[in-house]
Amino acid sequence: KAGVTQTPRYLIKTRGQQVTLSCSPISGHRSVSWYQQTPGQGLQFLFEYFSETQRNKGNFPGRFSGRQFSNSRSEMNVSTLELGDSALYLCASSLEGTGNTGELFFGEGSRLTVL
Amino acid sequence: AQTVTQSQPEMSVQEAETVTLSCTYDTSENNYYLFWYKQPPSRQMILVIRQEAYKQQNATENRFSVNFQKAAKSFSLKISDSQLGDTAMYFCAFMNFNKFYFGSGTKLNVKP
Repeated sequence: KAGVTQTPRYLIKTRGQQVTLSCSPISGHRSVSWYQQTPGQGLQFLFEYFSETQRNKGNFPGRFSGRQFSNSRSEMNVSTLELGDSALYLCASSLEGTGNTGELFFGEGSRLTVL
Repeated sequence: AQTVTQSQPEMSVQEAETVTLSCTYDTSENNYYLFWYKQPPSRQMILVIRQEAYKQQNATENRFSVNFQKAAKSFSLKISDSQLGDTAMYFCAFMNFNKFYFGSGTKLNVKP
């Protein structure tokens, strides 16, 4: 079974630009969540999608948005990039319903550098 | 609001020895889950161990075990017989209502 796939793995942008990151969950997983990882801050929760609906949202500005498609693939978008947005963005999927252990399965992340 | 605190930014241990990573959390909820995740250098995060709050018995997975103290809101991870492959960032996490809260991580370095 394929794991969580995130693209692109690395990208460099300049301030003011926007970026879209993609995440394909494990087959059968309908929950997809996004996290921002920075040194010293750990993982900060961005949002979680389930069946194309945003179910939970963290404390990030409106420049951060996301969506989920009918095949459970998810995208997140960051507009008007700032230097502080440089981070590793992690996507995780999980199984809902019977068999749900609460475990998150992570992708390798998309490392964004804003210059 | 739920918070997770890992007070040890970095730790070192000799191969084959035992090390304990600390984690405390704050919540007013009674039912929740606690996790330890491991992030090896340049590799993806994986689950190490999981604990349901309603279970009093501490979870164990081979060389990994936890000390769960619900009243104290403490959830430490003990790694026995440390191996070089245990070198990684370790994150403590709290989950409730499908929402996860992570600590800032502890970088563990296992020395040969």
